[in-house]
Amino acid sequence: AQRVTQPEKLLSVFKGAPVELKCNYSYSGSPELFWYVQYSRQRLQLLLRHISRESIKGFTADLNKGETSFHLKKPFAQEEDSAMYYCALRRSGYSTLTFGKGTMLLVSP
Amino acid sequence: EPEVTQTPSHQVTQMGQEVILRCVPISNHLYFYWYRQILGQKVEFLVSFYNNEISEKSEIFDDQFSVERPDGSNFTLKIRSTKLEDSAMYFCASDTGRSYEQYFGPGTRLTVT
Repeated sequence: AQRVTQPEKLLSVFKGAPVELKCNYSYSGSPELFWYVQYSRQRLQLLLRHISRESIKGFTADLNKGETSFHLKKPFAQEEDSAMYYCALRRSGYSTLTFGKGTMLLVSP
Repeated sequence: EPEVTQTPSHQVTQMGQEVILRCVPISNHLYFYWYRQILGQKVEFLVSFYNNEISEKSEIFDDQFSVERPDGSNFTLKIRSTKLEDSAMYFCASDTGRSYEQYFGPGTRLTVT
């Protein structure tokens, strides 16, 4: 069965510091990986997906199949980045998502 | 921008009672989903629905649960006889089936007492 692991429950950084939110997965097939974000009192929304290879709000994530990782990075954190971040996996041939437990990012001034 | 809506935002019910959670997916979307998140735990998939039938369901989605699309807009999750452990936030989501970008509703917090 597939699994998504986010080892950090909470990541606390100062504004301007680099951020890396870790995500590892296990899946025997070829997955599609996503990062979803939930800001305070807002709904879950897609931040980025590995196949689009784009940068959203300064965040990037690269799929590393050798390390089965999809870490989310931003070189300079902003206070407005404070939110809950979820890594999610879609199995090939299926539409449903398997989520990790999430990491709360707190960016202090 | 179109959004997935869910009602009610909070539902309190007694153990053993039936509840129906309602969702209105985005109008041109074809795939519909229910997920749940027990407090402090991860978001878990319950069921997906396409072309008026269940396309996939998880182990959690047992005989106590059912889904329906009674008309062209609503998508409902029914829990026949609620248990204390059904207390959770229930999220509805939808997507077009082309991009697999799922759009989530704001959730319904279900509290079973």
